[in-house]
Amino acid sequence: DGGITQSPKYLFRKEGQNVTLSCEQNLNHDAMYWYRQDPGQGLRLIYYSQIVNDFQKGDIAEGYSVSREKKESFPLTVTSAQKNPTAFYLCASRPPGAGTEAFFGQGTRLTVV
Amino acid sequence: GEDVEQSLFLSVREGDSSVINCTYTDSSSTYLYWYKQEPGAGLQLLTYIFSNMDMKQDQRLTVLLNKKDKHLSLRIADTQTGDSAIYFCAERKAAGNKLTFGGGTRVLVKP
Repeated sequence: DGGITQSPKYLFRKEGQNVTLSCEQNLNHDAMYWYRQDPGQGLRLIYYSQIVNDFQKGDIAEGYSVSREKKESFPLTVTSAQKNPTAFYLCASRPPGAGTEAFFGQGTRLTVV
Repeated sequence: GEDVEQSLFLSVREGDSSVINCTYTDSSSTYLYWYKQEPGAGLQLLTYIFSNMDMKQDQRLTVLLNKKDKHLSLRIADTQTGDSAIYFCAERKAAGNKLTFGGGTRVLVKP
């Protein structure tokens, strides 16, 4: 089935460790996005990529890094520089064209202890 | 202030209509979206409207857009318990490829 897959669903890490969240899509979408969601709040854009080997910072990129070596994959690394990493992380992808909708993964809940 | 704003909470009785409101600030927004999020899950697109439209209806959902006031609303007719969720409005700006989301409205449907 076509879709966008995030793994793992739950992730626990010790403070000070880097951690990488996976996002894979087989929808052949060019654009991919990472959002962060905190309890009771909306989604804030971390990074986005419109094409392979290219990505741009979103509104809250500090403490995060991404890569886009393959069209299907857009992993997000939460580094030790991110001061408050515990959150729900959502990945999305979007086909080309104006007005096309973004398809979301099921999210990864990261807890740093 | 925030680019996209929504009220935090809405309580409605089963069978009644729900109206969720959203305001945005960017007059160059091209498309406006409504997404639904159930607990612990990703976002599911419900409907969207192009900025040159005033209204769009899709089964139980009606979207109204007042471009002059930059106000968007989502009406859910005959609200069911399965409609309990968080609803997000989002705008796509003319420049760039970003979707900007509101803070979400939590809708609670009471039997």
